[in-house]
Amino acid sequence: AQKVTQAQTEISVVEKEDVTLDCVYETRDTTYYLFWYKQPPSGELVFLIRRNSFDEQNEISGRYSWNFQKSTSSFNFTITASQVVDSAVYFCALSALRSQGNLIFGKGTKLSVKP
Amino acid sequence: GAGVSQSPSNKVTEKGKDVELRCDPISGHTALYWYRQRLGQGLEFLIYFQGNSAPDKSGLPSDRFSAERTGESVSTLTIQRTQQEDSAVYLCASSLAASGGRTEAFFGQGTRLTVV
Repeated sequence: AQKVTQAQTEISVVEKEDVTLDCVYETRDTTYYLFWYKQPPSGELVFLIRRNSFDEQNEISGRYSWNFQKSTSSFNFTITASQVVDSAVYFCALSALRSQGNLIFGKGTKLSVKP
Repeated sequence: GAGVSQSPSNKVTEKGKDVELRCDPISGHTALYWYRQRLGQGLEFLIYFQGNSAPDKSGLPSDRFSAERTGESVSTLTIQRTQQEDSAVYLCASSLAASGGRTEAFFGQGTRLTVV
């Protein structure tokens, strides 16, 4: 079965702190894709990143970075020097061939960045 | 259109009434997804379309829920005999191709359904 676990329900940090959001996934597929989405208070989900299972290279985009480790089935997301505008719910998602392309989401982590 | 469009944005209905929620995907996107998000909760998968067919309906919570898609475009999610537990935001997303998720899904702003 496909499953995504985001163990952290809520995280609160002070502006400029670094914060890491954890994501652990389960799949029996060898080909799969992992995603992170951001849901700000406005409600619309915003795509952040996609990573395929054959590419374990970590990625950095500005203050955002992602650490993909197949050995631990994790795809963690780090925000460096957090800002108030980063406050949102962040969802990790998995899509695999066995799920015929369906996106399975974790329950989300609510990040609050206080000034 | 430029993005995924959902209508109505808000719907208040009386318990027992039927409702129809509409989703206009991004033009050319063959895959379309419906999710439900209860207040403060994660995304609960409902149904997914590839073209006009639905290979995965496993998330529909009961036979009161149905969905269809025509012309590889607009999709309608219908909830019959609504119950208070159906109150949630219903999100629609589309992507270029499903095929194991090679492309990202883009989401609409959702329809907030309140059953009173």
